[in-house]
Order: sequence, then C-alpha cells, then structure tokens
Amino acid sequence: SQELEQSPQSLIVQEGKNLTINCTSSKTLYGLYWYKQKYGEGLIFLMMLQKGGEEKSHEKITAKLDEKKQQSSLHITASQPSHAGIYLCGADRSGGSYIPTFGRGTSLIVHP
Amino acid sequence: DGGITQSPKYLFRKEGQNVTLSCEQNLNHDAMYWYRQDPGQGLRLIYYSQIVNDFQKGDIAEGYSVSREKKESFPLTVTSAQKNPTAFYLCATSPGGPDTQYFGPGTRLTVL
Repeated sequence: SQELEQSPQSLIVQEGKNLTINCTSSKTLYGLYWYKQKYGEGLIFLMMLQKGGEEKSHEKITAKLDEKKQQSSLHITASQPSHAGIYLCGADRSGGSYIPTFGRGTSLIVHP
Repeated sequence: DGGITQSPKYLFRKEGQNVTLSCEQNLNHDAMYWYRQDPGQGLRLIYYSQIVNDFQKGDIAEGYSVSREKKESFPLTVTSAQKNPTAFYLCATSPGGPDTQYFGPGTRLTVL
C-alpha cells in the first residue's frame, strides 16, 4: 500500500523566516493534497496537485509536485504566527480509487 | 449555511459503553469518510461510504460500525470491542472522483 512520509515531523521558526515541508511517496502520486489543521479542529484544504512539475500558490504558501510525481514540497515564505498548525499531505491510494491516505503531519510553530 | 456538522465536540464515556458520533452534511456529497487521529499518527481511515446504503471498511475498522441510510448522515458507533477508543474523530465528505475532501470540526472522545 502507498505510504506518505512527511519531513520534518516538527518545525519551530522565527517569524519572517522561510520554511519547507516535504511529502514523499513510495509510489506514484495520483492527486496530492495539502491540508492545514489547527489543534483540535478539522482540516482546511490548501491545494491539490495532479500533474508532474505542477506548482500552485496561495498567498505566501507554494506547493510543488516533482516531475516523477513521488514527492511534493510545501514552502512558506516570510512565515507569520497565523501559519502555525499541523500540515498534512494526502494522496489517492491508487489511480481512480479516490480513497485517500495521509502522512503523519508536520507541526509548525512560528515565534513572533 | 453549507457544511459538515459533527456533534458533540467533546464526548466522555465509561469503559465498556458503546457511543455514537454524529456526522451530518448538506453539501450534497456522495462520499463520506470517518478518520481517527492520534498524536503523531496522522489520520487513519476507519470506514468510508461512496453511496447511500453502501460502506466499506478502512484500515482500522475493528471495534467500529457505521450506517449510511441517508445521503446526509454517516454516524459512527464506537463499540466496547474497540480496545483504545480515546482519540480525535474526524468526518469528511467528497463529491466523488478526483476532488478534495471537506472535513468537519471533529469530535474528541475520551473513555474513562
């Protein structure tokens, strides 16, 4: 079965710093999703990537899917305390299944 | 007001009691999912339903049961057979096909 490995597991940065979170799959990714979760709440959808080499941005957050479709990165520019939370990547288990699997998440703390 | 409702937000039960968690949606989505989240574990799929009156076991279905009698509702029962039921439970929906999931606010279950 497909597994998603996220790194790092946790991250503490000073406000204004850039940071990157990685999500690596053991198999080809068919639809890669990034979510953000504040502690004790549901997940908020950030972005979906489907094509190799695809890159999307929303405000100061950019996500990329590599050409081989086995790794995605989430980059935050000039981090703010509002960026703090848990970031999770999710992916369809196999092409056409639409049954997702998730990474374990990356906990981000941003110090003002 | 469209969305996904999970109730209650916090739930306490004595060991050995069955408990039912509610998930209601008015997004008209076909697919619904239940996840369990433990610290450092990410999301693990318990059950999912892609159409009314049909549902499938996920990765950790033992000790849980569901029903899908209406499109809007997908209740999850945590039975006494579940060895370690204390966790954060998330319900999600999806229109079906290659689309993101939409998450409810979650229910934190504590078994005393």
